[in-house]
Amino acid sequence: DTAVSQTPKYLVTQMGNDKSIKCEQNLGHDTMYWYKQDSKKFLKIMFSYNNKELIINETVPNRFSPKSPDKAHLNLHINSLELGDSAVYFCASTPQGGTQYFGPGTRLTVL
Amino acid sequence: AQSVTQPDIHITVSEGASLELRCNYSYGATPYLFWYVQSPGQGLQLLLKYFSGDTLVQGIKGFEAEFKRSQSSFNLRKPSVHWSDAAEYFCAVAWGTGRRALTFGSGTRLQVQP
Repeated sequence: DTAVSQTPKYLVTQMGNDKSIKCEQNLGHDTMYWYKQDSKKFLKIMFSYNNKELIINETVPNRFSPKSPDKAHLNLHINSLELGDSAVYFCASTPQGGTQYFGPGTRLTVL
Repeated sequence: AQSVTQPDIHITVSEGASLELRCNYSYGATPYLFWYVQSPGQGLQLLLKYFSGDTLVQGIKGFEAEFKRSQSSFNLRKPSVHWSDAAEYFCAVAWGTGRRALTFGSGTRLQVQP
């Protein structure tokens, strides 16, 4: 069974569109994250949720809105997509104070 | 701001040779230290981690890393590299306790020559 899963794996869309990426973890962890990996492979934290509550919100455009319907899911919605949003987005989860487990990533391409 | 530095962007080694990838982090509260590996087009796989205790930690695939507090370093080593080890390696640090996000280094790309 996949511990942290993301859908879709690939997402190609036009500028200005709105899209969502879904993340689910079946590890029973209470904290989930979204990271962005840019074209130079640099990974940076975007958001963190603990038990559906936002606890980390880095300097990210407000076009990005995370939503956590329950502690096993953390979705990322992006409005008015821009070329610079093209990246790989990784979801991760962790138990309290523990190791972060990453999903396979979603490669977003904005044309 | 707290930061993680991987000074080597790209390393090439011959198969069977030893490997050391460097990682330094800025001073802060108790660091939790990790090494992840990313194969092309793949996600991040945890190689090993250090939270406390013995400063030499063993990981998967024959990797080990040593935490040196005095040097703020957490270098990754492998005695004999295999062609399948070619990948991107990321050092990551979480400072303090609790549900801290990871700060990643910029990565080191490892190429393995036959």
